[in-house]
Amino acid sequence: AQSVTQLGSHVSVSEGALVLLRCNYSSSVPPYLFWYVQYPNQGLQLLLKYTSAATLVKGINGFEAEFKKSETSFHLTKPSAHMSDAAEYFCAVSDSGGYQKVTFGTGTKLQVIP
Amino acid sequence: GAGVSQSPRYKVAKRGQDVALRCDPISGHVSLFWYQQALGQGPEFLTYFQNEAQLDKSGLPSDRFFAERPEGSVSTLKIQRTQQEDSAVYLCASSLVMGDPDYEQYFGPGTRLTVT
Repeated sequence: AQSVTQLGSHVSVSEGALVLLRCNYSSSVPPYLFWYVQYPNQGLQLLLKYTSAATLVKGINGFEAEFKKSETSFHLTKPSAHMSDAAEYFCAVSDSGGYQKVTFGTGTKLQVIP
Repeated sequence: GAGVSQSPRYKVAKRGQDVALRCDPISGHVSLFWYQQALGQGPEFLTYFQNEAQLDKSGLPSDRFFAERPEGSVSTLKIQRTQQEDSAVYLCASSLVMGDPDYEQYFGPGTRLTVT
């Protein structure tokens, strides 16, 4: 079985500060890993994904994440927070095979303080 | 182009009523997924279609839940005899091909179901 754990259900940062959202995964096979963002009353939008190529993955809106197998982590970062980054972020994992059944974490709400 | 659309966006049902939630995937997308997102939680997988074939329904919480995609495009999630614990946002996602993460899942805005 595969799973992800997101540390911190709420994170607050000041505008312009570093954003760090933590995600640890558990998978019995090489995983594919994803970060999604969800704005209020909207569906999920893919930020970035790791599919066993480069371990440092760059996504949209200036976000990036690094796959660290030794730490089973896939933390999401952005050097400088913008007010528009305020949203809920979900880490997710799927098996490196099959049909892309995705297991999501419980989410982290990011608040950006002006 | 048009994304994944879902209707209705909001549904209020009295306990015991049947509901039907519709998903229009992106045209030509082979794969279609349904997820349930309870308040304050991440989405949880319900079921998966490849074209019209329902290949995985392991996430459906009870036999009151039924999904179909008869012509391989539009899908309907039906919940019979709704219960309060069915209150959640139901998300639909579609993907161009099966099993290839290079083709991302595109999510609809969801249907928020409230059972009173």
